[in-house]
Amino acid sequence: DAGVIQSPRHEVTEMGQEVTLRCKPISGHNSLFWYRQTMMRGLELLIYFNNNVPIDDSGMPEDRFSAKMPNASFSTLKIQPSEPRDSAVYFCASSPPASGSEQFFGPGTRLTVL
Amino acid sequence: AQSVTQLDSQVPVFEEAPVELRCNYSSSVSVYLFWYVQYPNQGLQLLLKYLSGSTLVESINGFEAEFNKSQTSFHLRKPSVHISDTAEYFCAVIQYSSASKIIFGSGTRLSIRP
Repeated sequence: DAGVIQSPRHEVTEMGQEVTLRCKPISGHNSLFWYRQTMMRGLELLIYFNNNVPIDDSGMPEDRFSAKMPNASFSTLKIQPSEPRDSAVYFCASSPPASGSEQFFGPGTRLTVL
Repeated sequence: AQSVTQLDSQVPVFEEAPVELRCNYSSSVSVYLFWYVQYPNQGLQLLLKYLSGSTLVESINGFEAEFNKSQTSFHLRKPSVHISDTAEYFCAVIQYSSASKIIFGSGTRLSIRP
């Protein structure tokens, strides 16, 4: 199994530009999570989906952030417009249906907004 | 509401010394407990977990953690650390009732000195 796949691995953009991060969860997993990690704030849960439906988006920082999961094998996290304070590593994770299941993390996307 | 507390943000130890990383949680219902490890420039990966049964759980690389219900703790220990154990360690819980949402602690950075 290839594990959780994220793209791109690195993204450098200028303030005001739109950024789209992509995630392919592990086949058969029905929950998908987006996290943001910074030195200052640590690991933050942004949003999670269950069976492609957003369950909890209370961690999404503001309206500039949006996430979609059009099908079981693909999700996007979009930032429009981006700001320097959005610079962070963004992780996607997925987990299978069983109760108490662990989350499997992708390698992350390192975003730098200049 | 549930929460996870890792009191030590950093723990420096000498190689081959024992180490304990502390984790306490609060929850009004039963929980599943996890320790994740994040090596530099990588995503989080599961180290060990407690779901039920024996309160002492072990990982393949010599770490162990003991679930203590009365103290609501799940401390991580290793009798002799190696340089390769240098990483950040996250304690996490899932409530029986929440199915998917996992709550992470703030992490403990373990640094090993030769």
